[in-house]
Amino acid sequence: AQKVTQAQTEISVVEKEDVTLDCVYETRDTTYYLFWYKQPPSGELVFLIRRNSFDEQNEISGRYSWNFQKSTSSFNFTITASQVVDSAVYFCALSERDFGNEKLTFGTGTRLTIIP
Amino acid sequence: DAGVIQSPRHEVTEMGQEVTLRCKPISGHNSLFWYRQTMMRGLELLIYFNNNVPIDDSGMPEDRFSAKMPNASFSTLKIQPSEPRDSAVYFCASSSAGGRNEQFFGPGTRLTVL
Repeated sequence: AQKVTQAQTEISVVEKEDVTLDCVYETRDTTYYLFWYKQPPSGELVFLIRRNSFDEQNEISGRYSWNFQKSTSSFNFTITASQVVDSAVYFCALSERDFGNEKLTFGTGTRLTIIP
Repeated sequence: DAGVIQSPRHEVTEMGQEVTLRCKPISGHNSLFWYRQTMMRGLELLIYFNNNVPIDDSGMPEDRFSAKMPNASFSTLKIQPSEPRDSAVYFCASSSAGGRNEQFFGPGTRLTVL
């Protein structure tokens, strides 16, 4: 069975600080996909990034960056120079296989609060 | 293109009443998912459809819950009879071409059962 662990339940940082959200996953498959979603206070779920298991290249998008390490089964998310608008709950998710099993297994989320 | 559309956005009902939640996926997406989010249990997948066919409904809590997808552009999630413990936010999501692609979520329906 697949599993996603976000050990950090809540994090608070002062604006402009960098913050890293941890995600550790478990899967028996060699082909899988990892995702991050953001849920701001308004409640919607916003897709941020997708990674497949064959692509360990780190990715940077503006102030956001993701570090995927298969050796430690981790897919961590870093926000640089945090802003108040980054305050949200962030979910990491895992999907195994390509067809026939399209389930996303979500972690329990990390609530990030940016203090102005 | 419009995103996933859900209605109603808020629903307040009394225990025992039937509740129907509606979802219109993104045009062209062939997979549709229903999730429930509560403080206690987080985000749970209830059921998902592929090409309008239910593939996995193992997350549906009990027989009071049912879901249909009569065509590619519409799905319903029905609770009959509703109970207070069904109070939650229900999300619909859609994706294209299998689990490798990201799911796009609707704004959710906040259901309160009194």
